[in-house]
Amino acid sequence: DAKTTQPNSMESNEEEPVHLPCNHSTISGTDYIHWYRQLPSQGPEYVIHGLTSNVNNRMASLAIAEDRKSSTLILHRATLRDAAVYYCILRNSGGSNYKLTFGKGTLLTVNP
Amino acid sequence: GAGVSQTPSNKVTEKGKYVELRCDPISGHTALYWYRQSLGQGPEFLIYFQGTGAADDSGLPNDRFFAVRPEGSVSTLKIQRTERGDSAVYLCASREYGQQSSGANVLTFGAGSRLTVL
Repeated sequence: DAKTTQPNSMESNEEEPVHLPCNHSTISGTDYIHWYRQLPSQGPEYVIHGLTSNVNNRMASLAIAEDRKSSTLILHRATLRDAAVYYCILRNSGGSNYKLTFGKGTLLTVNP
Repeated sequence: GAGVSQTPSNKVTEKGKYVELRCDPISGHTALYWYRQSLGQGPEFLIYFQGTGAADDSGLPNDRFFAVRPEGSVSTLKIQRTERGDSAVYLCASREYGQQSSGANVLTFGAGSRLTVL
C-alpha cells in the first residue's frame, strides 16, 4: 500500500472545526482514501472513505485535493468525544485490498 | 451480536506460558482479521480469514503464533511460549463479505485483548 504522512499531533478547541491533513503523494489511481479513528481504550472505528470526490457523512467530511496527493478530514464542530488518534490509510482496489495498513496516525486533543 | 466481542479483555501471564485470545465477530461477517498494537504504534496486521481458511497469515511474527477459525465464525489466536515482547493489545476485526469490491472495506473492530507477559 502507498504510504501516507500525517502530523503526529494536533490540538483543537471544543465546538471549533478541525482540519486533519494527510499527504499521500505516491497514491495510485485505484487507491481509496480511508479514515479511521481510535478512541482511548477502544479499537479503531471507521470514519469515512473516498476515491476522487469530496464526501460527507454524519461523522465528518473528506476533502480530496484535485491531484489526489493529499486529503483533509474535517470535523465540523469538535467535541471532547472526538479526542482520538486519527488514521489516514490508502487501500488499493485490487490485489491484497482486503487488509488495511495503519501508520501512527494523528493524536487529536480537544480542549474544553 | 451488536459488535465484535473479544475475551479476555486483559490477560497477564508469565514468560513461557501458553495463551489463547478469543474473537466473536459480527454475525454473518465472513472476513475476520487479527491485528496487534504496541504502545504508541498503529495496529499491525497479523492474519486474515475468509470463512474458515487463513487467506493471508503473512503478518504472524513467528511460528509461536497461530490462529484458527474452525466454523467460520469465532476465531482463536494462540500464542505458545510467550515472551515479554509479545505484550501488546491484540485487536480483532470483521467485515461483510463482498464489501471490499465496492471500495468501502469497512472493518469493525473489537475493543481488544490486552496481553501482558511478565
